[in-house]
Amino acid sequence: QSALTQPASVSGSPGQSITISCTGTNSDVGGYNLVSWYQQHPGKVPKLLIYEVSKRPSGVSNRFSGSKSDYTASLTISGLQAEDEADYYCCSYAHNDNVKFGGGTKLTVL
Amino acid sequence: QVQLQGSGPGLVRPSGTLSLTCAVSGGSINSVNWWTWVRQPPGKGLEWIGGIYHSGTSNYNPSLKRRVTISVDKSKNQFSLNLNSVTAADTALYYCARGGGYSGSYIEDWGQGTQVTVSS
Repeated sequence: QSALTQPASVSGSPGQSITISCTGTNSDVGGYNLVSWYQQHPGKVPKLLIYEVSKRPSGVSNRFSGSKSDYTASLTISGLQAEDEADYYCCSYAHNDNVKFGGGTKLTVL
Repeated sequence: QVQLQGSGPGLVRPSGTLSLTCAVSGGSINSVNWWTWVRQPPGKGLEWIGGIYHSGTSNYNPSLKRRVTISVDKSKNQFSLNLNSVTAADTALYYCARGGGYSGSYIEDWGQGTQVTVSS
């Protein structure tokens, strides 16, 4: 099955805002409000940042926000910090009780 | 918060069966959750393998469906993954996880991961 499409890399300076996109089809991202986002530091376990497009679990900084338009979901990180440097993955429920991840985006804080 | 501890052989022979177990602590396997497996090949991204609901309903990645079985052992408060006919492409870090939402559409808690290498 094809993964959701994310940019391979994005970068930003401390204090700036960046947005990571996640593009799918009407069978996944576009068809359901069931997109989630994860942060993974090197050698670490992924961490849930956003679920159901824009909901934040308890304990996740409000600098992380999610949105969706048509077939593209987005993760925005505001007030970029050095500790935000990590890999980010989107994930979506897909037709017929399937779940898909994006290929991942490496965020570099300059 | 639920803790998840995966275990199993770190080396599996090609064409053999990969079998992993995930022990659940701090909560019951009978609770309303999707008990899920996700894998990550070396240097690559995450891949959803499948999940099983507390009721026994299971869903699998279509690309792996013919080879995968996920089951629950309520008496031991654990769940398991069996992947047969493995090849080198199945070499990965295997995470057991607790899924939430509709059909386990997001992962709330992750185990530490179990490294599995397929090699002769």
